[in-house]
Amino acid sequence: EAQVTQNPRYLITVTGKKLTVTCSQNMNHEYMSWYRQDPGLGLRQIYYSMNVEVTDKGDVPEGYKVSRKEKRNFPLILESPSPNQTSLYFCASSTLRGSYNEQFFGPGTRLTVL
Amino acid sequence: DAKTTQPNSMESNEEEPVHLPCNHSTISGTDYIHWYRQLPSQGPEYVIHGLTSNVNNRMASLAIAEDRKSSTLILHRATLRDAAVYYCILRDGPLSAGNNRKLIWGLGTSLAVNP
Repeated sequence: EAQVTQNPRYLITVTGKKLTVTCSQNMNHEYMSWYRQDPGLGLRQIYYSMNVEVTDKGDVPEGYKVSRKEKRNFPLILESPSPNQTSLYFCASSTLRGSYNEQFFGPGTRLTVL
Repeated sequence: DAKTTQPNSMESNEEEPVHLPCNHSTISGTDYIHWYRQLPSQGPEYVIHGLTSNVNNRMASLAIAEDRKSSTLILHRATLRDAAVYYCILRDGPLSAGNNRKLIWGLGTSLAVNP
């Protein structure tokens, strides 16, 4: 089954404790992206990657890091989480071929930083 | 990026058609109209997209006004599973290796379906 998986689904942590949210896709997609979703703000892009070893900042990259060492994986790293990073996070992937690039989303990771 | 305007919420009855409107008066000639939906506690999922002509797929139909300044997503027979937030999004052409034409997400329309 074609899918994007994220782990963990729920995470409660404390300020300053480094964490990683994993994202993996099995569709051989070149493009992967991380979003955060906050009430009243809609989805905002954090980072994206066009292919292996190619990453770039989205609209709200501060406080986040990513890496793309393999095509299927795109982890999101919070080196020193703060309470304002409490949010619902989604990973998405898409092919770069074709004309409409349907995005496939993971189930989300709800992060609480105390 | 051109903006879209959608009603905050709509309500429908099960097994009746639903017409979800979207205004995009500043749309450019190369903007594609995309619709996604987000079911409760899930990530968004693609519904349909179009450029100029009306489009149909197994999930829905997309009716695009002749001047392209508005469009309507049509669910032909709403089910309880169609209760979700529906997003109408414009994007200027496809993603490519050299261009992050990302989708710009608004707040969408929250659709409630009554049994």
